[in-house]
Amino acid sequence: EVQLVESGGGLVQPGRSLRLSCAASGFTFDDYAMHWVRQAPGKGLEWVSGISWNSGSIGYADSVKGRFTISRDNAKNSLYLQMNSLRAEDTALYYCAKDMSNGDYSQSPLDYWGQGTLVTVSS
Amino acid sequence: EIVLTQSPGTLSLSPGERATLSCRASQSVSSSYLAWYQQKPGQAPRLLIYGASSRATGIPDRFSGSGSGTDFTLTISRLEPEDFAVYYCQQYGSSPAFGQGTKVEIK
Repeated sequence: EVQLVESGGGLVQPGRSLRLSCAASGFTFDDYAMHWVRQAPGKGLEWVSGISWNSGSIGYADSVKGRFTISRDNAKNSLYLQMNSLRAEDTALYYCAKDMSNGDYSQSPLDYWGQGTLVTVSS
Repeated sequence: EIVLTQSPGTLSLSPGERATLSCRASQSVSSSYLAWYQQKPGQAPRLLIYGASSRATGIPDRFSGSGSGTDFTLTISRLEPEDFAVYYCQQYGSSPAFGQGTKVEIK
């Protein structure tokens, strides 16, 4: 059974940093691209970032480019999101999601999702 | 950057009725890289349709997708009580993006 478990969320002041983690199990992690998607309270889904299976291809939404960094450790079956210079508008539930096929991050839909970790940016 | 616009914002229907949801892209979606997701309150999204018209594993055949280029449709042939939820379209080509969602509510 595929499982994605996010952690690392919490309350943080504007301008500070936070690192999210996603522990994956139930599939061959290093075969698949992975993504972060966020959802502000009461709002829709926003794609944040994606990374190919070998970290060779990475993409970011314009809203986080230059502030967030996605990475993965295939030996640990883990996905990360380093978030710097956080803003109030980054407040959201952050989902880790698995890409459906084993290629680039921009070729397939997201077939499994975690339950999310909540990030609140406030002073 | 491709922008997806979903309509209507809210669809009020009764169980057993047919639901038709629209997703329009600001430019052509390459290779029909268009997916639909369902999200219920307090839950993560669930993949329903990919490649514009292929059902994901375990999705009932009352859900169907169609369209190409810039205009896509999700149809639920007969609404079941568990289908009342928010639906999002997503293009997963370059710089993936979601539409703003359509809420299907009980009339």
